[in-house]
Amino acid sequence: AQSVTQPDIHITVSEGASLELRCNYSYGATPYLFWYVQSPGQGLQLLLKYFSGDTLVQGIKGFEAEFKRSQSSFNLRKPSVHWSDAAEYFCAVGALVYSGGGADGLTFGKGTHLIIQP
Amino acid sequence: DAGVTQSPTHLIKTRGQQVTLRCSPKSGHDTVSWYQQALGQGPQFIFQYYEEEERQRGNFPDRFSGHQFPNYSSELNVNALLLGDSALYLCASSRPTSGSSYEQYFGPGTRLTVT
Repeated sequence: AQSVTQPDIHITVSEGASLELRCNYSYGATPYLFWYVQSPGQGLQLLLKYFSGDTLVQGIKGFEAEFKRSQSSFNLRKPSVHWSDAAEYFCAVGALVYSGGGADGLTFGKGTHLIIQP
Repeated sequence: DAGVTQSPTHLIKTRGQQVTLRCSPKSGHDTVSWYQQALGQGPQFIFQYYEEEERQRGNFPDRFSGHQFPNYSSELNVNALLLGDSALYLCASSRPTSGSSYEQYFGPGTRLTVT
């Protein structure tokens, strides 16, 4: 069965500092990888996604992530965080399994709570 | 273009009751997935509907059932509610496409509290 591990439950970063959130996955098929962000009481917003090709993907809000197949990792990075980045971050994995298009249900990690210090 | 909408926003039920949650997918999307997010946890996949059929199911009991209508909107029904069913229920929609254009769009969720 597939699984996603986000080793850090909480991370505290000073505003303007760099950020890296870790994600490790286990998936039998070729994975499709996602990072979502969730603000308190809100739904999930997609930050970026990886399907194939260039292993460094760019997302919204200045985020990027690097896929490393040998390490089964898909870590999220940002060079300089802003106070508005404080939120819950989720890594997820899925696969396109249907011949007509469409993916199976996503498997999410438990999330990393990002705190920004002024 | 409206995104994924869910109703109601909040709901309070008593143990043993039944509840129905509703979801309207993003325009152009025909696939709806439901997720349960307990407090402090990541979302867990419940099931996915496509062409009015349940085509995939996560590890949830039969008390959780659903339906998809011809206009692609969907309902999630939970029978015999337990305290542990208290959670944020998220609906996500997608369209049949492969490759880099695929993604699931999430609604704001329905907060269910079981007392």
